[in-house]
Amino acid sequence: EMQLLESGGGLLQPGGSLRLSCAASGFTFNIYALSWVRQAPGKGLEWVSSVSGSDGNTYYADSVKGRCTISRDNSKNTLYLQMNSLRAGDTAVYYCAKGESGSPDYGLDVWGQGTTVTVSS
Amino acid sequence: SYELTQPPSVSVSPGQTASITCSGNKLGDKYVYWYQQKPGQSPVLVMYQDNKRPSGIPERFSGSNSGNTATLTISGTQTMDEADYYCQAWDRGTVVFGEGTKLTVL
Repeated sequence: EMQLLESGGGLLQPGGSLRLSCAASGFTFNIYALSWVRQAPGKGLEWVSSVSGSDGNTYYADSVKGRCTISRDNSKNTLYLQMNSLRAGDTAVYYCAKGESGSPDYGLDVWGQGTTVTVSS
Repeated sequence: SYELTQPPSVSVSPGQTASITCSGNKLGDKYVYWYQQKPGQSPVLVMYQDNKRPSGIPERFSGSNSGNTATLTISGTQTMDEADYYCQAWDRGTVVFGEGTKLTVL
């Protein structure tokens, strides 16, 4: 069974940093694109970032560009999201999601359970 | 930036057909994906590449995409289908989600 398990969320102060992790199992990790998608309380889904499976190219939403870095460790089957200069607007549940192919321009066929990030003083 | 527009809400009676639309400029030239999200749960892919159902998704779910509009259709809607539905496409290096449609079955 394909699974994604996020961790690293918590309560952080504005201006702080965090690193989210997503541990994958049940599929050949290095082949597939992976993404982070967030959902603010009571709001819709917002794409954050993706990394391709083949060439490792990265993609970012304008709202996080310059503040976030997505990376993957294929030896550990783990996806990461480093977030800096946190703002209240970053408060959300962060989901890790697997792409249906190695390229991120396809759909997201497996989702984790999410990890909650709260940015507040 | 590219935008996908969905109606905020759709209501349907049990057993009837629900149609949820997603509009975007030349959307028919892109693949559209649909996700179902129930309260407190993670999203689930219910339609990929416009009209393909993932394994485990009931046959009552179908999809189409042409021109500027993609449509997710649920035939014989059941109370268990009540959820938020999001469309998604890829545009010039970004993943774009619609704002979501709350489907009410009553």
